[in-house]
Amino acid sequence: RKEVEQDPGPFNVPEGATVAFNCTYSNSASQSFFWYRQDCRKEPKLLMSVYSSGNEDGRFTAQLNRASQYISLLIRDSKLSDSATYLCVVNPNYGGSQGNLIFGKGTKLSVKP
Amino acid sequence: DVKVTQSSRYLVKRTGEKVFLECVQDMDHENMFWYRQDPGLGLRLIYFSYDVKMKEKGDIPEGYSVSREKKERFSLILESASTNQTSMYLCASSHPLAGRSSSYEQYFGPGTRLTVT
Repeated sequence: RKEVEQDPGPFNVPEGATVAFNCTYSNSASQSFFWYRQDCRKEPKLLMSVYSSGNEDGRFTAQLNRASQYISLLIRDSKLSDSATYLCVVNPNYGGSQGNLIFGKGTKLSVKP
Repeated sequence: DVKVTQSSRYLVKRTGEKVFLECVQDMDHENMFWYRQDPGLGLRLIYFSYDVKMKEKGDIPEGYSVSREKKERFSLILESASTNQTSMYLCASSHPLAGRSSSYEQYFGPGTRLTVT
């Protein structure tokens, strides 16, 4: 089983749509979780951390289900500028790993007018 | 704002050349990383470093070496460039999130797109 798995997409949605991405991780000892955003030909940038209680930042909501080892990202009222690749990222917290992150391969989102 | 800079955005080298990719961060981060990113393969960790003079192999270290002589600078070296090392190379640095000592956010440089011909 791959460490972090995501549906590669692409997800093609109209402006204003709600879209959800899912991600599963294999290491049950993982301690922290993130969603990164990567625009075409640019570097990944942190979108939001994912907390056990779930967290929201404007139109974006992240959820964590530790029992199922599952992370989700919900984007409401999609904008053209949301078009990007979304990377699910996990800190597996291996002994002494001190900050190594495991990156999923990303889910591509394309928002159309 | 954290700034991670990389020496070149685009680089073209010939097979067999020795290639140096430089990365500098300005936030006194202890951890630094080198990745390559290829279509369909995602980000793959080449080497990382938790301190000056310290280095650890990542998932794909073959054909690469690194140097960390100063805390802010982490260099990736391709000893003898080959065409299969044509890729996007991304450097990152990290620190623990405030109040969450086990949670590390990584900041990336803009990347170097290396072509080996």
